[in-house]
Amino acid sequence: EPEVTQTPSHQVTQMGQEVILRCVPISNHLYFYWYRQILGQKVEFLVSFYNNEISEKSEIFDDQFSVERPDGSNFTLKIRSTKLEDSAMYFCASSGPGAHNEQFFGPGTRLTVL
Amino acid sequence: AQKITQTQPGMFVQEKEAVTLDCTYDTSDPSYGLFWYKQPSSGEMIFLIYQGSYDQQNATEGRYSLNFQKARKSANLVISASQLGDSAMYFCAMKAPVNRDDKIIFGKGTRLHILP
Repeated sequence: EPEVTQTPSHQVTQMGQEVILRCVPISNHLYFYWYRQILGQKVEFLVSFYNNEISEKSEIFDDQFSVERPDGSNFTLKIRSTKLEDSAMYFCASSGPGAHNEQFFGPGTRLTVL
Repeated sequence: AQKITQTQPGMFVQEKEAVTLDCTYDTSDPSYGLFWYKQPSSGEMIFLIYQGSYDQQNATEGRYSLNFQKARKSANLVISASQLGDSAMYFCAMKAPVNRDDKIIFGKGTRLHILP
């Protein structure tokens, strides 16, 4: 069964460093998303992406964040200058042709900012 | 404003018993979709079940069923014959309106513990 994959599973970085989180959505999906979950809290929407541009972004998704689909398979989230409060689990999701348009989530990348 | 409310932060249930996890929602959009996701301790988000606002019947997927009461704006998840592997965090979520590129908003979750 096709699935969304994410790398790395865990990323540790120093405050102020840039990180790139990578995702490979399900191959025939057209809509891509990033969410984050701070430890012990609910999942929060960051950004949605369709047709090579951002469809919607939340107030969390400020100028420090960017997304890109550099080729036909990868979907990346870049944080330019990480802050301590960026420590969270980051989930990529994709959706496409389907009866319910449900979003299929990847396993997540746990980002720890020191 | 759209909102998902899960009032049970944690639940303990004996194995093989049925479980009901509560969820209420708020939206002004007439077309919306309701989801339940399971998050085990390993962290991944597993889609369980979906209910559309115009669906006439309650959704069912194996041991999972969604008790959809539109007038009350509730979408409770029912797990029949609970198993130890059901122990996890459960999130109710909504997409409104149901357009393909719309975000899902999540509730705070209910942590379910199944006791042997």
